Amino acid sequence: EADIYQTPRYLVIGTGKKITLECSQTMGHDKMYWYQQDPGMELHLIHYSYGVNSTEKGDLSSESTVSRIRTEHFPLTLESARPSHTSQYLCASRQGHTQYFGPGTRLTVL
Amino acid sequence: GQQVMQIPQYQHVQEGEDFTTYCNSSTTLSNIQWYKQRPGGHPVFLIQLVKSGEVKKQKRLTFQFGEAKKNSSLHITATQTTDVGTYFCAGFNDYKLSFGAGTTVTVRA
Repeated sequence: EADIYQTPRYLVIGTGKKITLECSQTMGHDKMYWYQQDPGMELHLIHYSYGVNSTEKGDLSSESTVSRIRTEHFPLTLESARPSHTSQYLCASRQGHTQYFGPGTRLTVL
Repeated sequence: GQQVMQIPQYQHVQEGEDFTTYCNSSTTLSNIQWYKQRPGGHPVFLIQLVKSGEVKKQKRLTFQFGEAKKNSSLHITATQTTDVGTYFCAGFNDYKLSFGAGTTVTVRA
């Protein structure tokens, strides 16, 4: 099991707030990913990074932004949260072809 | 773009029975991976298949990669309650993983 951490694990927040979901990994993996997953549904790639200062949008359009200033850190920011952002957000890092997922952040926007 | 489809979406199994879930890609894959997500948890890597026609076993789980490298299957024998969860296949191509919608497995004791 890889060392990849996400905080907070659960977040309930009001509409219009700015939030940052944290993701860190200690394995030195260059490639990192953010997925959005509704309960019982498939994973949708929203952002990915191949290394420091590299970020790309994924397959699913998202109003969030990401940054990659350090290898180990890949935070995701929502400038103005809306109820439609309610979901689980999963961070992952990759070594070779294997992706290791963090525990996820369950976000609820009221 | 690449699409990965899984069937069935839901699988209700009697404990002790066998079942198979299938994964199909619209494009040829360099490899395919399988992940398991327990209820309330996060996906955990199970296995990777790389070679055409490859078959791998993990205890009661048998994974197969099709000859054309566009489809895969997961067969579970003698299902146990610990097998509950959602099984995702993911096709690796263009440096990204594309996940299927998953097969959610429930087990009747």
